[in-house]
Amino acid sequence: GENVEQHPSTLSVQEGDSAVIKCTYSDSASNYFPWYKQELGKRPQLIIDIRSNVGEKKDQRIAVTLNKTAKHFSLHITETQPEDSAVYFCAASNNNNDMRFGAGTRLTVKP
Amino acid sequence: DTAVSQTPKYLVTQMGNDKSIKCEQNLGHDTMYWYKQDSKKFLKIMFSYNNKELIINETVPNRFSPKSPDKAHLNLHINSLELGDSAVYFCASSQAGGVGELFFGEGSRLTVL
Repeated sequence: GENVEQHPSTLSVQEGDSAVIKCTYSDSASNYFPWYKQELGKRPQLIIDIRSNVGEKKDQRIAVTLNKTAKHFSLHITETQPEDSAVYFCAASNNNNDMRFGAGTRLTVKP
Repeated sequence: DTAVSQTPKYLVTQMGNDKSIKCEQNLGHDTMYWYKQDSKKFLKIMFSYNNKELIINETVPNRFSPKSPDKAHLNLHINSLELGDSAVYFCASSQAGGVGELFFGEGSRLTVL
């Protein structure tokens, strides 16, 4: 089955700085790569996703890049704010009802 | 209207007991999941169902038995609870195939004493 690895496990940045979280996946058949944000005590919620036919996608301060050849994808958050502090999960899936998550990155944005 | 709802939200019980968690989605999705989130926050898939049919059974002990009476419901029954079963259990749903957004329920925090 798919195996998703995520780094770093914790990330601390100063408000206004950028944050980058990286993931790799093992199954070359995976074609959908979402990112979820989980605030303390809450459910994970989708913040952005990318499909395998696209190399980059941007939504305001967040962007994702995908390198299918290398089987890795990244989340970039620019101009970080304290409310960006949360645990972020990457995930990978193909058309098999099987969504696998990375181990999560705890992002802390210091004011 | 809550898209994915699960009950109960909190469950405290003794080792050896049997308990159930219920999940319902009103999004019209074909696929539903159970994930376990342990104290280290790792989200591990347990089961997925597509239109009442079991698709993924991820090496979960057979003390865990999912039941999907229809595509809008996926319940989880756990027999002979152990300390290591303590976790937050999330139900989720998505369009068929799992290549779209997963909508999660609020989670059910299970504590086994």
